[in-house]
Amino acid sequence: AQSVSQHNHHVILSEAASLELGCNYSYGGTVNLFWYVQYPGQHLQLLLKYFSGDPLVKGIKGFEAEFIKSKFSFNLRKPSVQWSDTAEYFCAVTTDSWGKLQFGAGTQVVVTP
Amino acid sequence: GAVVSQHPSWVICKSGTSVKIECRSLDFQATTMFWYRQFPKQSLMLMATSNEGSKATYEQGVEKDKFLINHASLTLSTLTVTSAHPEDSSFYICSAHGLATNTGELFFGEGSRLTVL
Repeated sequence: AQSVSQHNHHVILSEAASLELGCNYSYGGTVNLFWYVQYPGQHLQLLLKYFSGDPLVKGIKGFEAEFIKSKFSFNLRKPSVQWSDTAEYFCAVTTDSWGKLQFGAGTQVVVTP
Repeated sequence: GAVVSQHPSWVICKSGTSVKIECRSLDFQATTMFWYRQFPKQSLMLMATSNEGSKATYEQGVEKDKFLINHASLTLSTLTVTSAHPEDSSFYICSAHGLATNTGELFFGEGSRLTVL
């Protein structure tokens, strides 16, 4: 069965530090990949997505992610985090054009001032 | 961007009662909506796919008689938790896939927190 694995459940870091969140999926076919963010008390928002083309995808708020097909990975990065990046981050995968998403367990990121 | 709204945002009910949660797409038509359930400190688990004008498709292990889904119009899907029990307490989230949105891009509601006493 298809699965999505996020490596870290909790990450704590200081402002201006670099962030990298790992995401691996287990599906050999064509996939569409997403990173969503959920700020405290708010709904899920799309950070970025990959369907095809350049494997380095840039999203909102300075985030980017790199799709490495050989590693079945889609890691999220941000060079310099801010306190406002405190949130929960979810990696998601779909093989379905209708957008039925399989989510990873999520990573809670806390950025300290 | 597109907006999806859920109501109520939180509800507390007694065991044995039924609770209805609404999911509305406010500025676009949603041919397909998805219902997810999120347990504390866990990921979102897809419960069912709701298609306008047809029966919902439930994921394995989800009781369709327990979680009734109705998608009567292009802007509204409802999830009814029937005869709720404490183990049904959870955070329920809907998402909508619109006619004009890109493939796979979904818009999420704020979520509805259900607590069953």
